[in-house]
Amino acid sequence: QVLLQESGPGLVRPSQTLSLTCTVSGGSISSGGHYWSWLRQPAGKELEWVGRIWTSGSTQYNPSLNNRITISLDTAKNQFSLKLSSVTASDTAVYFCARDVRRGIDCWGQGTLVTVSS
Amino acid sequence: EIMMTQSPGTLSVSPGERATLSCRASQSVSSNLAWYQQKPGQAPRLLIYDASTRAPGIPARFSGSGSGTEFTLTISSLQSEDSAVYYCQQYNKWPPITFGQGTRLEIK
Repeated sequence: QVLLQESGPGLVRPSQTLSLTCTVSGGSISSGGHYWSWLRQPAGKELEWVGRIWTSGSTQYNPSLNNRITISLDTAKNQFSLKLSSVTASDTAVYFCARDVRRGIDCWGQGTLVTVSS
Repeated sequence: EIMMTQSPGTLSVSPGERATLSCRASQSVSSNLAWYQQKPGQAPRLLIYDASTRAPGIPARFSGSGSGTEFTLTISSLQSEDSAVYYCQQYNKWPPITFGQGTRLEIK
């Protein structure tokens, strides 16, 4: 059973860079032909797809994030990461890491709340 | 970007009855649609993919139908644990993958 766990600071200052890591256990991040994804959900609102990375390392990002986003893989550590630069209060949300099997997202982390505030 | 619109916003149904949730896409997504269930404080759970295929471990009372722009999630014989927010998601055209705004299902 594949498990995902997000980690990173819960508080980020405005204009700084949000950095989160997702640790995958129970399976190799470099096998299986899956996308490894980040999504977020502001309190009381709907899910927003942030972006994803293929096992080859190719990435797809949400255009609404205005080129502020970088997703990367660390196969040695079986982790993938999210960096979101120039954050504002509107980036405050629960961030989920997840596995996208191209026909839906079948495994999710528990989510981690990131608050952008000075 | 493909917009996904769900209706109704909130649905209140008695235990044992049937709930019908709708999802409309702003353009055809073929059958590339998934449904998720999200309970408070939890991550979403994949229920249905390819519009009508139940994910592993999902009870048979959950069923999906539709193609193109109109989709339905039906939950027959509602149980108290079905109280949740349900989201549809298209994966036909990306980026971005897009979600509906959700339907809150309340069990009376």
